[in-house]
Amino acid sequence: DIQMTQSPSTLSASVGDRVTITCRASQSISSWLAWYQQKPGKAPKLLIYKASSLESGVPSRFSGSGSGTEFTLTISSLQPDDFATYYCQQYNSYSPALTFGGGTKVEIK
Amino acid sequence: EVQLVESGGGLVQPGGSLRLSCAASGFTFSSYSMNWVRQAPGKGLEWVSYISSSSSTIYYADSVKGRFTISRDNAKNSLYLQMNSLRDEDTAVYYCARDPTDYDILTGYPLHYYYGMDVWGQGTTVTVSS
Repeated sequence: DIQMTQSPSTLSASVGDRVTITCRASQSISSWLAWYQQKPGKAPKLLIYKASSLESGVPSRFSGSGSGTEFTLTISSLQPDDFATYYCQQYNSYSPALTFGGGTKVEIK
Repeated sequence: EVQLVESGGGLVQPGGSLRLSCAASGFTFSSYSMNWVRQAPGKGLEWVSYISSSSSTIYYADSVKGRFTISRDNAKNSLYLQMNSLRDEDTAVYYCARDPTDYDILTGYPLHYYYGMDVWGQGTTVTVSS
């Protein structure tokens, strides 16, 4: 299976900060990567698909970049509603498996 | 409103069975592939199973293969997960999620782009414990 390594696992930041989360794949996945935001007790929410395309309704302060094995999620100016856990997810094939990164918790500094 | 609503979770003993359901509304259910994704307490997300729109293609994670069965009834706009031989490590919140990507039948690769899982249910909790 393709392994997805996210860093950092925890990030402390202040409102207005620029935040970058990195996801590394164990082998090339082209641009077949998605990013999700999850708040406690809630379902994940799709933010970015195709590595850099913004899902409809998602604020433009979120952006994604990368291809191959290195990907980033950037929040240009952190807002109070953005404190959450973020997951990357790769698709190379359902067989053997679709996999998620371990998550990055963005906390208030 | 596009919506997915899971049900069927609960407390079950190790070795027991449970059937989860996911009711879809607000979109043409029969046109979309679907997934089950789970999250153990305090842990990250784990993909469990996939089913194509026509049920012709099905995949499972190794951790559930041979124990879980995914199915759907397009006439009832419903997705199911039959879980047998449950183990402690199956304890989790189970989410159903919509997959809007079109895949090449032969290769399994996206025909155009990978669009992620764009609609999720609120989750149903499964607890396996004696």
